[in-house]
Amino acid sequence: QVQLQESGPGLVKPAETLSLTCTVSGGSLSTYYWSWVRQPPGKGLEWIGYIYNSGTTTYNPSLKSRVTISVHAAKNQFSLRLSSVSAADTAVYYCAREYGGNARFDNWGPGTLVTVSS
Amino acid sequence: SFELTQPPSVSAAPGQTASITCGGDNIGRQSVHWYQQKPGQAPVLVVYDDSERPSGIAERFSGSNSGNTATLTISRVEAGDEADYYCQVWDSVSDHRVFGGGTNLAVL
Repeated sequence: QVQLQESGPGLVKPAETLSLTCTVSGGSLSTYYWSWVRQPPGKGLEWIGYIYNSGTTTYNPSLKSRVTISVHAAKNQFSLRLSSVSAADTAVYYCAREYGGNARFDNWGPGTLVTVSS
Repeated sequence: SFELTQPPSVSAAPGQTASITCGGDNIGRQSVHWYQQKPGQAPVLVVYDDSERPSGIAERFSGSNSGNTATLTISRVEAGDEADYYCQVWDSVSDHRVFGGGTNLAVL
């Protein structure tokens, strides 16, 4: 059973860059799509973007100008960078694996809370 | 991008049936997935491709999708079903993944 675990700073200052890593165990990164999803406190889920295989990415247009998702295959990790953050970016950030041709998320990390505050 | 509309809340008594809807333009042409999220936990896939259940999900959870509305049905509701439920689709035109706003199921 594949397991995912997010890691990174829990506090980021406004205007700085949020950086998170998702470590995948029990399975390979190859042949799957890997996404980041976030959830502001008390609100719903928002898809941020995905990375596939050798590095193909697609991002939510509302975040596209600030987001970069990358893969570190040797470490079985993929990462999220979100630049120029503000309080509106405070959220629980989840990494998730997609499975199947219709992009269902079948495995999720437990999530990590990132607070943007000075 | 595709938009999905869910009611903010739904309630049901134990033993009754709860129905949670997810509206979208011709959503019947999409494959809809449903997630259950309990407080402080990550979402869990409970129905995929409109009506398929992942291994380990109770048969009480079922789904349907037609026209402009997809529906998650929870039969014989239990206290442990109290959670937020989200629908999700893959917008094949934009290649984006889209979530509905979520519905809180209260078990009375």
